[in-house]
Amino acid sequence: KQEVTQIPAALSVPEGENLVLNCSFTDSAIYNLQWFRQDPGKGLTSLLLIQSSQREQTSGRLNASLDKSSGRSTLYIAASQPGDSATYLCAVRRMFGNEKLTFGTGTRLTIIP
Amino acid sequence: GAGVSQSPSNKVTEKGKDVELRCDPISGHTALYWYRQRLGQGLEFLIYFQGNSAPDKSGLPSDRFSAERTGESVSTLTIQRTQQEDSAVYLCASSLGRGWLTDTQYFGPGTRLTVL
Repeated sequence: KQEVTQIPAALSVPEGENLVLNCSFTDSAIYNLQWFRQDPGKGLTSLLLIQSSQREQTSGRLNASLDKSSGRSTLYIAASQPGDSATYLCAVRRMFGNEKLTFGTGTRLTIIP
Repeated sequence: GAGVSQSPSNKVTEKGKDVELRCDPISGHTALYWYRQRLGQGLEFLIYFQGNSAPDKSGLPSDRFSAERTGESVSTLTIQRTQQEDSAVYLCASSLGRGWLTDTQYFGPGTRLTVL
């Protein structure tokens, strides 16, 4: 059974700093990995999707890496801003079966102005 | 272009009552998913619809839970005889359903269910 873990559960950093969020998964037989952000009272917003054959994806100040063999992914946020405050979730889609996602429990990020 | 919508946004009910949650996916999306997020826990997969195929119900926690989907349109999740442990945010997502590697799921805002 796939298990996805995110550490830390919560993180507070001053505005302007660079930061890294971590995600680990137990079963490396995945099709892709996604990073989402979740704002209070709102649904999830997809940030980046990394295919199993890729090692990283970039979008603006965000960079996500994937090391499938070790079961790890990181989300790097450069020059953090107060608007980045949210809960960040990683999710993996397994290689076989339906397209359901298995989610981690998330990292609650607070950027201090 | 409208995103995924869900209704109601909040639902408070008494233990033992039935509830029905609605999801309107993005037009043209053949795949639809229901997830549940209980307080302090990660999202749990409940059920998956893909076109006219039989749904994957492997995530439904008990026979009190059921879901229907009309073609490639609206879906309803029904919980019968609600229990306090059913309290959670129920999230619906849809996707194009084609292309295993790059298919992105788009999520609705969720329905917050509170069972008293």
